[in-house]
Amino acid sequence: KAGVTQTPRYLIKTRGQQVTLSCSPISGHRSVSWYQQTPGQGLQFLFEYFSETQRNKGNFPGRFSGRQFSNSRSEMNVSTLELGDSALYLCASSLAGSGRKTDTQYFGPGTRLTVL
Amino acid sequence: AQTVTQSQPEMSVQEAETVTLSCTYDTSENNYYLFWYKQPPSRQMILVIRQEAYKQQNATENRFSVNFQKAAKSFSLKISDSQLGDTAMYFCAQYGNKLVFGAGTILRVKS
Repeated sequence: KAGVTQTPRYLIKTRGQQVTLSCSPISGHRSVSWYQQTPGQGLQFLFEYFSETQRNKGNFPGRFSGRQFSNSRSEMNVSTLELGDSALYLCASSLAGSGRKTDTQYFGPGTRLTVL
Repeated sequence: AQTVTQSQPEMSVQEAETVTLSCTYDTSENNYYLFWYKQPPSRQMILVIRQEAYKQQNATENRFSVNFQKAAKSFSLKISDSQLGDTAMYFCAQYGNKLVFGAGTILRVKS
């Protein structure tokens, strides 16, 4: 079974631009969660999607948004990029996510975003 | 609010020895789960071990085991017979209504 895939793997953008990151979950997984990883703040939860609905959200500004499609693939969008948005963005998929907490979350390799 | 604290930023251990990584947490949830994840250098994060809070028995997975002290809100990871491939960043995490991670501990296994 293929693992979680994320595209692109690397991105370089300039301040003020917007960016869209994509995540394809493991087949059969309906929950996708997004995390931001930085050296200073560590791993922080952005949001979780399940069956095309945002089920949970972390403490990030409205510039960070996401969506999920009927095939469970998810996209994350960051508008008006700031230097502080430079990070590794990880997505993780699971069968039911927060609906069943014992589910293992499987992580993708991440997208490394650099904002200049 | 959920918080997870890992007080050891870095640790090192000789190959074949045992090492324990510390983790404490705080939560108001009654039904929660605890995890240790491993992130090798430039590689994907993978689950090492998990513990259901309602279970008193400590979880074990081969060379990995936990010491779960619910009253003290402590969840340490013991790695026995350390191997070079265990070199990684280890994250403790708690799942209440979302997955909250600690800051991580860099573990270096030396030959």
